Amino acid sequence: SQTIHQWPATLVQPVGSPLSLECTVEGTSNPNLYWYRQAAGRGLQLLFYSVGIGQISSEVPQNLSASRPQDRQFILSSKKLLLSDSGFYLCAWSVLGPESYGYTFGSGTRLTVV
Amino acid sequence: AQTVTQSQPEMSVQEAETVTLSCTYDTSESNYYLFWYKQPPSRQMILVIRQEAYKQQNATENRFSVNFQKAAKSFSLKISDSQLGDTAMYFCAFMKYRSGNTPLVFGKGTRLSVIA
Repeated sequence: SQTIHQWPATLVQPVGSPLSLECTVEGTSNPNLYWYRQAAGRGLQLLFYSVGIGQISSEVPQNLSASRPQDRQFILSSKKLLLSDSGFYLCAWSVLGPESYGYTFGSGTRLTVV
Repeated sequence: AQTVTQSQPEMSVQEAETVTLSCTYDTSESNYYLFWYKQPPSRQMILVIRQEAYKQQNATENRFSVNFQKAAKSFSLKISDSQLGDTAMYFCAFMKYRSGNTPLVFGKGTRLSVIA
């Protein structure tokens, strides 16, 4: 069965420090991968998505970057965090096919920048 | 571009009652998928129900059902016999049929509180 792992669950980082959030998928090949951010009590903002190794599409210009070094690994990074980077970060995956069953989401990372 | 609108930021319902969450969308596509996701206080996103636009029959999953009105571009979620565990944010989402690489488009969400 397919599973998605996202870590860490919680992170408190000082302003100006680097960031690395990791997401891995098991049980499927060549998934589409997504990073979303959610401010408290708000909707989902798509940050990046990837349809293959090394292929990254950015939806919102900002202080973050994403990489996909392996087929089932998706990493969200920042060189220097800002206070505005605080939020809840969700990774998700989907597969292409004749039918679509939407996304499967990871359990999320709560990032607080202090 | 597709848009999804959830006009009710917050709703509440008494336990065991029925509640309907509204969702409208805008698209020029004829074939697509629609979804409702639930995000409880744990913040885990959970797929509640899925509807294929080319199917006229409304999808149902236990106490959850949808009223899909394609001509009106409306996709409401009905929760019957509401339970305390239904307290969550609910997101409506749209995906083009065989969309290739186009991501899901989400609404801004409706916060539902089930009151004992």
